[in-house]
Amino acid sequence: GDSVTQMEGPVTLSEEAFLTINCTYTATGYPSLFWYVQYPGEGLQLLLKATKADDKGSNKGFEATYRKETTSFHLEKGSVQVSDSAVYFCALSPNYGGSQGNLIFGKGTKLSVKP
Amino acid sequence: EPEVTQTPSHQVTQMGQEVILRCVPISNHLYFYWYRQILGQKVEFLVSFYNNEISEKSEIFDDQFSVERPDGSNFTLKIRSTKLEDSAMYFCASVQRDNQPQHFGDGTRLSIL
Repeated sequence: GDSVTQMEGPVTLSEEAFLTINCTYTATGYPSLFWYVQYPGEGLQLLLKATKADDKGSNKGFEATYRKETTSFHLEKGSVQVSDSAVYFCALSPNYGGSQGNLIFGKGTKLSVKP
Repeated sequence: EPEVTQTPSHQVTQMGQEVILRCVPISNHLYFYWYRQILGQKVEFLVSFYNNEISEKSEIFDDQFSVERPDGSNFTLKIRSTKLEDSAMYFCASVQRDNQPQHFGDGTRLSIL
């Protein structure tokens, strides 16, 4: 079945460092891909999305490109801040004739950014 | 910005007891979901609900689970006879149309003793 694999955490970085969190997926068809973020004590918030191959999602300085050839959707940010400390979840939603199905999540990667 | 709200934030229940987790989806949303996350594990889909009926459910969602939209605003998840392994964070989500990203609540932490 469909699945998402993302890099194990925790990831600890200094402020202004470059961030990459790897995410690969297995899916039949053409899923939509998402990154969700969970700040301490809060729910899951959509960070960015991409709905087809070569789409780049971006938000708050984060970017991810939908790579069909490598089945990947890696999350990147050029310069992280302490406020980016959170758990990041990669997710996919199968497309059924244009309608999205239920979300399938990776395990989450905890990011800690030190001043 | 409208939010999905979940209550309570933390529920502690004795094994074998019934528990009801409550969610208020965003008011103009039509599709509703429950997910759960056991500590240290993936967020897992439980059930989706549309037009007053279950549209899809996972293997986890067995006969001990049920969902209901008792009025125009609430969406509840009931576990009839809780087990230790039901301890998890439960997330509710909603969306206006099924091709849009889901909006999540802050979750209810369920602890079964």
